[in-house]
Amino acid sequence: EVQLVESGGVVVQPGGSLRLSCAASGFTFNDYMMHWVRQPPGKGLEWVSLISWDAGSTYYADSVKGRFTISRDNSKNSLYLQMDSLRTEDTAFYYCAKGMDSSAWYELDYWGQGTLVTVSS
Amino acid sequence: QSALTQPRSVSGSPGQSVTISCTGTSFDVGGFNYFSWYQQHPGKAPKLIIYDVDKRPSGVPDRFSGSKSGNTASLTISGLQAEDEADYYCCSYAGSYTSFGGGTELTVL
Repeated sequence: EVQLVESGGVVVQPGGSLRLSCAASGFTFNDYMMHWVRQPPGKGLEWVSLISWDAGSTYYADSVKGRFTISRDNSKNSLYLQMDSLRTEDTAFYYCAKGMDSSAWYELDYWGQGTLVTVSS
Repeated sequence: QSALTQPRSVSGSPGQSVTISCTGTSFDVGGFNYFSWYQQHPGKAPKLIIYDVDKRPSGVPDRFSGSKSGNTASLTISGLQAEDEADYYCCSYAGSYTSFGGGTELTVL
């Protein structure tokens, strides 16, 4: 059974940093593209970032480019999101999602339950 | 980077059909057949229900169907059931990023 479990969400002050983690199991992690997608409470989904199966390629939404860094450790079946220079508008549930294949940009077939990041003073 | 446009809400009675539209540009929806739809119930993670415009993952009922014409994609749900009440999001490849629609709330009357 595929499982994605996010962790690391907390309350942080504006300008602060945070690292989210996603532990994956039930599939061959290094065969798939992985994504982070966020959702402010009560609002819609926003794609944040993706990383290729081998970590050779990464892409970001303009809203987080230069502040967030996606990474993965295939030996640990883990995905990460380093979040720096946090802003109040980064407050959201952050979901880890698995692509359907090694080049999946838009077809995310499994999602974690999300971890809440709150940016507030 | 811009979000795709969806109606904020739609509604239908049990047994009826509803269609949710998703409008983009030639740089995303119109430029590729790399398009998907997600269903999200309150407090739950999104679930993939359509990919590659009109394909269904295993386990998704054939009451859900997708199509595309020009810069607009559509999700049609036929034979509406109470359990279909949820938020629906479209999603498209856009060249160097992925774009979601703003979401549509489906109410089953």
